[in-house]
Amino acid sequence: GAVVSQHPSWVICKSGTSVKIECRSLDFQATTMFWYRQFPKQSLMLMATSNEGSKATYEQGVEKDKFLINHASLTLSTLTVTSAHPEDSSFYICSAADRAGETQYFGPGTRLLVL
Amino acid sequence: TQLLEQSPQFLSIQEGENLTVYCNSSSVFSSLQWYRQEPGEGPVLLVTVVTGGEVKKLKRLTFQFGDARKDSSLHITAAQPGDTGLYLCAGDQGAQKLVFGQGTRLTINP
Repeated sequence: GAVVSQHPSWVICKSGTSVKIECRSLDFQATTMFWYRQFPKQSLMLMATSNEGSKATYEQGVEKDKFLINHASLTLSTLTVTSAHPEDSSFYICSAADRAGETQYFGPGTRLLVL
Repeated sequence: TQLLEQSPQFLSIQEGENLTVYCNSSSVFSSLQWYRQEPGEGPVLLVTVVTGGEVKKLKRLTFQFGDARKDSSLHITAAQPGDTGLYLCAGDQGAQKLVFGQGTRLTINP
């Protein structure tokens, strides 16, 4: 089956630093990847849609200058949380859609803790 | 943004009982998916329903998509402790953008 990986699985950083999270589709090409955020005891909220070779599309209320997304290849998208603050602490999950676009496969998530 | 209301949000029952989780919206979705998520992990797809009135079965789990494609249900028969987890429904708003329900945290007591 299709596998999506995320790295790192967890990260602790100081306030004001930037953190990069990688999302990889391991055995298929993903023209579209999605980034979600999940706060404790809450559901997933879509942050942005990442298309290979083009700019990401951000959902309303998500700061594009704070959450930088790069989708440089068909198997890799990165999310960089710039100048992270404690309120950015969350569980970040990516998903990748295969070429048919019928199914999204989710990564295992990255837990970010900003001190 | 279309909204999905999931109920109940919490459910704790005894092993062997049956249960139903509901996912409702005032909007029509092109498809609806059910996921299960374990703590600290990403959601895992259980099923996708596409056609109004569609019923799909996955062992003891039965999924139904409403005729108008606005609602869905998940029925578990003879629940087992291994069914414990967070169940999420998600509707496709178009262009593969998913909107998730709040989730149902299910606990099956031995």
